[in-house]
Amino acid sequence: NAGVTQTPKFQVLKTGQSMTLQCAQDMNHNSMYWYRQDPGMGLRLIYYSASEGTTDKGEVPNGYNVSRLNKREFSLRLESAAPSQTSVYFCASLQGRGGYTFGSGTRLTVV
Amino acid sequence: AQSVTQPDIHITVSEGASLELRCNYSYGATPYLFWYVQSPGQGLQLLLKYFSGDTLVQGIKGFEAEFKRSQSSFNLRKPSVHWSDAAEYFCAVGGDSGYSTLTFGKGTMLLVSP
Repeated sequence: NAGVTQTPKFQVLKTGQSMTLQCAQDMNHNSMYWYRQDPGMGLRLIYYSASEGTTDKGEVPNGYNVSRLNKREFSLRLESAAPSQTSVYFCASLQGRGGYTFGSGTRLTVV
Repeated sequence: AQSVTQPDIHITVSEGASLELRCNYSYGATPYLFWYVQSPGQGLQLLLKYFSGDTLVQGIKGFEAEFKRSQSSFNLRKPSVHWSDAAEYFCAVGGDSGYSTLTFGKGTMLLVSP
């Protein structure tokens, strides 16, 4: 099915470890986004990419880096994971005014 | 800065009763408004959106929302709630650009009682 695919779905990291969350969309959308969701906090924007080759910080970028590898793929990297980064991470894509299409999320636990 | 307030953290509604979820926004220009629904362990699904025109918008699953500029509100309604509507609902606001960054409210958890 067309949409946004995130991998992995679940991950447990030890403090200080690094990892990359992968996101790919097959809808030829220009813009892609990474959000984190924490209980009682709603969704907060980490980084976004308005178009291929560009990335910008969102509300909570500290501790993260991103790469817009091509039009389809937008990855989120944690260089040195901290317990405060335990969260559910959502990738989304957008074309025009259609509203975001979200992936199913990655549940990350940092111990 | 843009912001969204969903005043109700939890709402319990009897099955078959009507529903209204409140959303107030702050945005410096013409807002684009959205409601999303999230079932447990799932991603977010778009229910409906408002860009311009008719202030009453229809969405999927029998939901509708009304944009009231004077009150900075975009409340979600459903005439008769079904048990399957139990989920978390998020209101979001963004702007008119090709790469609009949405700001989400903190969500309202809907519980449906028999």
